[in-house]
Amino acid sequence: AQSVTQPDIHITVSEGASLELRCNYSYGATPYLFWYVQSPGQGLQLLLKYFSGDTLVQGIKGFEAEFKRSQSSFNLRKPSVHWSDAAEYFCAVGVYGGSQGNLIFGKGTKLSVKP
Amino acid sequence: EAGVTQSPTHLIKTRGQQATLRCSPISGHTSVYWYQQALGLGLQFLLWYDEGEERNRGNFPPRFSGRQFPNYSSELNVNALELEDSALYLCASSLAGEGAKLFFGSGTQLSVL
Repeated sequence: AQSVTQPDIHITVSEGASLELRCNYSYGATPYLFWYVQSPGQGLQLLLKYFSGDTLVQGIKGFEAEFKRSQSSFNLRKPSVHWSDAAEYFCAVGVYGGSQGNLIFGKGTKLSVKP
Repeated sequence: EAGVTQSPTHLIKTRGQQATLRCSPISGHTSVYWYQQALGLGLQFLLWYDEGEERNRGNFPPRFSGRQFPNYSSELNVNALELEDSALYLCASSLAGEGAKLFFGSGTQLSVL
């Protein structure tokens, strides 16, 4: 069965430090992968997505993610974290290629940023 | 441009009652998706509507139902509410055929007492 694992429930980093949020997936076919961010009281905002091609994907707000098929991973990175990045981050895999909106989400990683 | 709007923001019901949640998609979007975000369970796909038809359904009992209106807005109905139905219900919309790019609303927080 398809699944997404985000091993870190909560991460705290200092402002200006680099960030890496981990995501591992289990899916039989070529995955369509997504990262979303959710601020308190808000819905989900799409940060970036991977469908095919270049395994390093650039997103909004300075985020990037790298697809590693051999490791079944799609980790999110940012070189320098800003206080406004504090939020919850969700990795998701698209079933049926994501074309039917059936996304399987990880449980999320809550990011706290220290001044 | 207005985003996906959901109403009400908060809804409090008691066990056994019915809840109705509403969603207006982004103008021009014809597909609407419903997700449940429950504590400890994460985000789970509920329903997908496109052009007024239910296209796909997640692993939820039949008391979770909905519909899509001719203006593409949507309702989610939850009958015979149970305590574990307490969750944030998120609606998302997309352009036809672009279900991989979802735009989410801020959600309706349903509390069942």
